[in-house]
Amino acid sequence: GQQVMQIPQYQHVQEGEDFTTYCNSSTTLSNIQWYKQRPGGHPVFLIQLVKSGEVKKQKRLTFQFGEAKKNSSLHITATQTTDVGTYFCAGPTSGGSNYKLTFGKGTLLTVNP
Amino acid sequence: DAGVTQSPTHLIKTRGQHVTLRCSPISGHKSVSWYQQVLGQGPQFIFQYYEKEERGRGNFPDRFSARQFPNYSSELNVNALLLGDSALYLCASSSAGTSGGAAQYFGPGTRLTVL
Repeated sequence: GQQVMQIPQYQHVQEGEDFTTYCNSSTTLSNIQWYKQRPGGHPVFLIQLVKSGEVKKQKRLTFQFGEAKKNSSLHITATQTTDVGTYFCAGPTSGGSNYKLTFGKGTLLTVNP
Repeated sequence: DAGVTQSPTHLIKTRGQHVTLRCSPISGHKSVSWYQQVLGQGPQFIFQYYEKEERGRGNFPDRFSARQFPNYSSELNVNALLLGDSALYLCASSSAGTSGGAAQYFGPGTRLTVL
């Protein structure tokens, strides 16, 4: 079936270092969404990318959608302890007329102060 | 404005029992989706309802069912509970008619433990 894969599974950085997580889909996606889940919390929507090659920035976070609309990345510049959490990408996948939002397994980011 | 609310927060059941989880979407959102999240994994799609109609169904057994009410709130029912049903059940509301069409706004979840 259609899959959304993320790497790495875990990433530990020193505060101030950069961080990148990558997302790959087995099929072309109409859009890609990114969510952040703090430990013990629930996923919180960060951004949605729709266009091929799209790049969006939110302060220290940069999101990219690949030209083929099958991959995406999230880059955090100069991480802070507040960035700790699991970052998920998600894309709509379909089987006939049945659409569902498929999440990757996430990348757990820990930051050493 | 209130976000997505879910009840109960925590629930402990025994194998074979039945459970009902409830969700109220953000005001103005007509779409509600249900997800199951086990530790270390991403949320797994169970159902999506829009305007009281089922719009999407994930790979879950028929023991799982849901419905949406005229006020757009929703219930998720799970029958004949198994140990493997222990998980965080998340509800998300959205303005889009199809799952994945727009941002999902998640509630705090219901932590279900099956003993």
